[in-house]
Formats: sequence, C-alpha cells, structure tokens
Amino acid sequence: GAGVSQSPSNKVTEKGKDVELRCDPISGHTALYWYRQSLGQGLEFLIYFQGNSAPDKSGLPSDRFSAERTGGSVSTLTIQRTQQEDSAVYLCASSILAGGRYEQYFGPGTRLTVT
Amino acid sequence: GDSVTQMEGPVTLSEEAFLTINCTYTATGYPSLFWYVQYPGEGLQLLLKATKADDKGSNKGFEATYRKETTSFHLEKGSVQVSDSAVYFCALDRDDKIIFGKGTRLHILP
Repeated sequence: GAGVSQSPSNKVTEKGKDVELRCDPISGHTALYWYRQSLGQGLEFLIYFQGNSAPDKSGLPSDRFSAERTGGSVSTLTIQRTQQEDSAVYLCASSILAGGRYEQYFGPGTRLTVT
Repeated sequence: GDSVTQMEGPVTLSEEAFLTINCTYTATGYPSLFWYVQYPGEGLQLLLKATKADDKGSNKGFEATYRKETTSFHLEKGSVQVSDSAVYFCALDRDDKIIFGKGTRLHILP
C-alpha cells in the first residue's frame, strides 16, 4: 500500500508570497500531523488532526500558518506572507489513531525555500 | 514544558565500533519514549520504543532502556555498520503529540 505522500517535494517562493503544502495520509489513518524540520532545530510540532475533533494548533508559530483537513483525509498547510525564517522541510505524518502508542508514518517532506 | 535533549553530532565511528547516543528527557508523568531514524534520502521512521519504566526497546541490533531514575533513554548498538549512517531522533509522547530532540547525525566509516 501507499505510504504518506507530500507535494510538492520542493518549493521555492519569494518573500511575501503565500504557499500551500499538501499531504495525503495513509488510507484509514485518522490522525494527521504536521512538523517543521529546520537546520539545527530538530522536528518542531505544528498541528495535528484526529478524526472530526478540533485540531490541536498549539505548535503553529504565528497566525500566518494555518492547516485544514478535508473529508478526514488530505491536509493542506498554508503559510501566508512567507518569511525567510519559514525556510525548512515540512513533514507530514499519519497514524491509525493519535497517541504515542500508535506509530507515526512520515512522508518524504516538502523543502520550502523562501528567497 | 516537556523536552528531549540528545547529544549533539555529528558522531563519527568506524565500522564494528560500539555506539551510544545519549538522550535525556524532562516530562511530567511517564511518557512513552522513542527513537526515530532518518536515513539519507528517506523519510523519518520509527526505530524502537518503550512505553514504561525499565522497558527495553530493540530493533535492527539497536537497544534503548527506559530509565525513570535517570530520565534517560540512551540508544546503543554493539557493532555498527556503514548502513547505520543516518540521523537519529529521540522523542517522547505528550498529549497525543510527539516531542522530538534535535537529532544526532551518525557517520560510520568503512
């Protein structure tokens, strides 16, 4: 079966532009997570969705960041008015259910470069 | 808040050497602990985990023991291979989220 897929794999954008990053989770996985991996900063949690519950947005670094998950499947992370500090690899992961006892399966990531 | 601290890399070893990557954590309660690995050009994947004190997680020759008294979860392998070259992340779960350390890059020389 297919794993978690993300698109685009690379995105270069100018400062101030908006970008959308897409994540397709593994079919049947109800939990979906977004992380940011910056050089020297490890993986930073951004947001997660569990079924129809309200998403946990506690990791979003500013109100320029938002995410939605349509139909309990595909998710889009949107960054408005991008800044150079937004440059990072954005990773998506899914699991059967939320919680540490359920393994998270990661996608290959989207490398975002803001010039 | 909860956090994970792991040794900074890069760590460079010769093939067949003994490996230890230190990891300590700060958390309330008793979280599950994990090691994730990111091989070159590949996505992050779970290597091993332990869900309670004194549990030992193991996979692919790697081991880590959940030490509540020292709040540690050090990763060990008795004889590393070139194919073990990767970035290793220690992590814990809190409120359905995974909190990761900054990662340790491991280079194994043939």
